[in-house]
This record gives sequence, C-alpha cells and structure tokens, in this order.
Amino acid sequence: ETGVTQSPTHLIKTRGQQVTLRCSSQSGHNTVSWYQQALGQGPQFIFQYYREEENGRGNFPPRFSGLQFPNYSSELNVNALELDDSALYLCASSFSLGGEQYFGPGTRLTVT
Amino acid sequence: DAKTTQPPSMDCAEGRAANLPCNHSTISGNEYVYWYRQIHSQGPQYIIHGLKNNETNEMASLIITEDRKSSTLILPHATLRDTAVYYCIVRGFISGNTPLVFGKGTRLSVIA
Repeated sequence: ETGVTQSPTHLIKTRGQQVTLRCSSQSGHNTVSWYQQALGQGPQFIFQYYREEENGRGNFPPRFSGLQFPNYSSELNVNALELDDSALYLCASSFSLGGEQYFGPGTRLTVT
Repeated sequence: DAKTTQPPSMDCAEGRAANLPCNHSTISGNEYVYWYRQIHSQGPQYIIHGLKNNETNEMASLIITEDRKSSTLILPHATLRDTAVYYCIVRGFISGNTPLVFGKGTRLSVIA
C-alpha cells in the first residue's frame, strides 16, 4: 500500500506569482486535507476535500484554492503569493471524513 | 485554537520510558484525544488515539484520566529515532469536517 505522496519537494517562487502543489492520497482514501506549517509552528488547517467537494475551510483567504480529482488526488493553488506564504505545505488523506489522517512529506515553498 | 496544553520540551534517556503529558480540561464528551509526532522536516505521523479507555498499539500507550481532563503518551523504550515534536490533539469524532488543530507540541529529545 502506497502512502501519501506530494510534489514537488521544494519550490521557490517570487512574490505575486501563482503556485500549484500536488498530492496523491493513500490507496482507498477519499478525503484529503491541506495544512500550512510555518517555521516553528504546528500545522494550520487550510481546507478539506471529500469526494471532490470542499468540505470545510480554515482561516485562509480565497487566494488559497484547491481541487480534488475523481481518483481522490488533490491540488492546492495559491495565487498572488506573499512572503508570508513561505512554509511547509502538508497534505493528509483519510479513509473517511472522521478517520485518522495520514500525512505526506510536504512541499517546502519559499517566496522571495 | 488548540484545546490542549503541553510542556514545550522534555528529555529522555535512551532505553527508558518517555512519558509525555497533555492537559485538555475543556474536552467534550464526544471528543477524542489524538497523538501525532513530527520528526524534523517530515510530515506528522499518526501515533494513537482514544476516547476514555487506555489504548496501546505497537508504537505507544495512551493513558487517559478518568475525568478525561488529561492524558499521557508513553513510549515504553525510547530510542534516538523517537526524537521529534509530539502533538496532543483533541478532535470531535462526528461526520463532517473534523480537522486536526495542532498546538506547538512537546519537543522530545532522546539522549544516548
């Protein structure tokens, strides 16, 4: 059974640009959640997708958006990048909405 | 905001039991206690969760007090690879959006 994978591993973008991060969920999992982790902090919930629909959102602006595909893989898109968007972005999948969440290794985004 | 309080750091000698405390005095009846850990620069790893009974798996034991206001995660024989940040999380187990709300966790250092 493959675990959660994320791509790319690292990314450097310039302020104002747009970025897309990708996540492949663990086999059999239909729910994907995205988290942002700033340096020295715990992960903060961005949003969750369940069966291709957004199912909840944390305190993040609309320039953070996402998609979930029929195979339950997911994308996180961030528009108009700001310096404070520099962080580790984590994807987690679960078998169901309330199930244990299993995290990928993350994508380290640096905005300059 | 996180509903848990944990000490910021702890040390443990290799081979000894590591006992990580967590206070969650405002926990509700339908909320579970979850533990995750995060080894440097990796995604969080699920360890264990429980409602009111003590739980044990291959990684750890979870002891929840009778009033459910606090709990302790026990790593029975800590190794250097257990050095990580440990997060105690209170999470409602209902259908719908139930994200993990991370605090700052406890940084456990296992010392040879």
